[in-house]
Amino acid sequence: SQQGEEDPQALSIQEGENATMNCSYKTSINNLQWYRQNSGRGLVHLILIRSNEREKHSGRLRVTLDTSKKSSSLLITASRAADTASYFCATSSNSGYALNFGKGTSLLVTP
Amino acid sequence: DTAVSQTPKYLVTQMGNDKSIKCEQNLGHDTMYWYKQDSKKFLKIMFSYNNKELIINETVPNRFSPKSPDKAHLNLHINSLELGDSAVYFCASSQLAGASYEQYFGPGTRLTVT
Repeated sequence: SQQGEEDPQALSIQEGENATMNCSYKTSINNLQWYRQNSGRGLVHLILIRSNEREKHSGRLRVTLDTSKKSSSLLITASRAADTASYFCATSSNSGYALNFGKGTSLLVTP
Repeated sequence: DTAVSQTPKYLVTQMGNDKSIKCEQNLGHDTMYWYKQDSKKFLKIMFSYNNKELIINETVPNRFSPKSPDKAHLNLHINSLELGDSAVYFCASSQLAGASYEQYFGPGTRLTVT
């Protein structure tokens, strides 16, 4: 299935540092989405990048997409303790109607 | 104002019982989804409805039956619960059907089957 895989599985950094998470997928896509999940909560949409875009910014978030390598990265700059969460990339399911999520990167930001 | 709400938040029940989870969205979206998240945080699509019509029915045991009385509600009924059904179930909605649309998730229902 068209399931993204995030790397690393877990990441621990200190406040103020940058955090980079990667996502790889297997087949061609029209777009890729990133979501955040705080502990015990539902997922929250962060950013959508289309296949014809190479980079997109939203506040402290920067997402890149390399369709030739079938990979995307999420960079969080100047991280804060509140950024502690799991981050998931999502691509289209085979039906095109739903999203397939990866297993996520668990980010811990310590003060 | 809660965009996507689910009830109950926690559900503890015994094997063999039948239970329901309810979901409501006040965003005016056409499409709603049910996802299952296992203990390793893997999130898998189960069902999707677009304007009350079923459009996705993944490989899910037929003990699971979704029902959409109107496009703002999508409920999930589970018969003969099994230990393996223990998970967090998320409802989500999007403006229209398709992976190009941002999905809004509910807070989840943690189901524990004993």
